[in-house]
Amino acid sequence: QVQLVESGGGLVKPGGSLRLSCAASGFTFSDYYMSWIRQAPGKGPEWLSYISNGGDSIYYGDSVKGRFTISRDNAKYSLYLHMDSLRAEDTAVYYCARVPVYSSGWQLDKWGQGTRVTVSS
Amino acid sequence: DFQMTQFPSTLSASVGDRVTITCRASQSISIWLAWYQQRPGKAPKLLIYKASSLQSGVPTRFSGSGSGTEFTLTISSLQPDDFATYYCQHYNNYLTAFGQGTRVEIK
Repeated sequence: QVQLVESGGGLVKPGGSLRLSCAASGFTFSDYYMSWIRQAPGKGPEWLSYISNGGDSIYYGDSVKGRFTISRDNAKYSLYLHMDSLRAEDTAVYYCARVPVYSSGWQLDKWGQGTRVTVSS
Repeated sequence: DFQMTQFPSTLSASVGDRVTITCRASQSISIWLAWYQQRPGKAPKLLIYKASSLQSGVPTRFSGSGSGTEFTLTISSLQPDDFATYYCQHYNNYLTAFGQGTRVEIK
């Protein structure tokens, strides 16, 4: 079955960096766009970034543009999010999700369980 | 600025009730709308995409309708598992926005 497992979250100081990973299994990773979404405590989801199946098309939300970098390694069935210049408002649970662009559209059809990032001094 | 407005923010209902949640877009989005269910401490789960297409494995008591600017998610007969928070999401290629959520609680 489809599985997405995030890792790499933790406590980081303001201005620091962190790299999140998402390990995919149960589907052909290179056939799918992927996405990162986050959810701050008590808030709704906030989309952060998409990456195309080949990694050649990338999109970011305004709140993370220039600070966060999405990437993928299809051979390793892995998705990444490198986060720089972290701020207190980046504190959230971070999810990776699958995007079935070629079969049904840009909705997020499978999500991981999330990894928590806390930015605090 | 594009916005998705979801209402009500909280809804109290009983098992067996018919429940409707509304999502309104600030401009026409055709049928590019999805609905998600999120239980406490869990990731969101896709229920409906393209406004009215039921995601595989989702019970048929969930249905979606609408186009343009107004959309609804209906649960025909609320079950104990359905007490959760529901979010709408507009998507159009890489442009996307979530609604603020509707918490469905036990009356």
